[in-house]
Amino acid sequence: AQTVTQSQPEMSVQEAETVTLSCTYDTSESDYYLFWYKQPPSRQMILVIRQEAYKQQNATENRFSVNFQKAAKSFSLKISDSQLGDAAMYFCAYRPGGGAQKLVFGQGTRLTINP
Amino acid sequence: GAVVSQHPSWVICKSGTSVKIECRSLDFQATTMFWYRQFPKQSLMLMATSNEGSKATYEQGVEKDKFLINHASLTLSTLTVTSAHPEDSSFYICSASRGTPPYEQYFGPGTRLTVT
Repeated sequence: AQTVTQSQPEMSVQEAETVTLSCTYDTSESDYYLFWYKQPPSRQMILVIRQEAYKQQNATENRFSVNFQKAAKSFSLKISDSQLGDAAMYFCAYRPGGGAQKLVFGQGTRLTINP
Repeated sequence: GAVVSQHPSWVICKSGTSVKIECRSLDFQATTMFWYRQFPKQSLMLMATSNEGSKATYEQGVEKDKFLINHASLTLSTLTVTSAHPEDSSFYICSASRGTPPYEQYFGPGTRLTVT
C-alpha cells in the first residue's frame, strides 16, 4: 500500500522568508502524481501544486516550488517570500496514475507565519 | 470552473437519527466522487469512492450499512449517516473528478457533523 509521511507536524517562518516542508512517500508504482494541498482555517482544500512522476522538471507555481527526488521518494515544497495568507495546514498527497484514483494524504504540517 | 458544493455546511443531529449530506459538482460532470472524513487536527481519510450509476467502493474498516453513499447522477452524490452516534461527529469532505486526464479532484467546502 502506498504511504505518505510528513515528518514536520509544525513549522514557522518569518514573513518574507523562505520555508521548506518535507514529504516522503512509498510506492511500487511507476505512474503516479504528487500534490501539495493547503487547508486554511476555513477547511476548504486548495490545490497548491501538482507533480507528475514522469516529469523530471520540478513543478513551480509562482512562489511555490517543489523538489521532486524520485529515486529517494521525496517531494518537498518550498514557499518563497512567505506571506501571512500562507498560514495553513499543508498536506502532501499521492495518487496513482491511470484514472480517477483516490488520494493518499500525509499527516499534515501546520505552517505559521510570523509577522 | 470546477466548483463543488456541499450541503449542509454544518448539521447537528440527535443520537440515533440519520443525516444526509449532499455533494454537487456545479459546473462539470463528475464521473467519480470521493468521500473523506477528517477528525480535528488530523489528516483526511478516504471513506469511499463512488462512480455514477455504480455501487460505492468502501475503504477497509468503513461500515457500508452505516455510511450509505449514492451517486445517482453525474452532478450529485449523497452520504447518509444512519443511526448516528457521537463518535460519528466529524468533518466530512467530498471531492469530484471529471474522469478525464489529469483526473483532478475538486474539493467541496466540507460538512461539520455534530451528533448529540
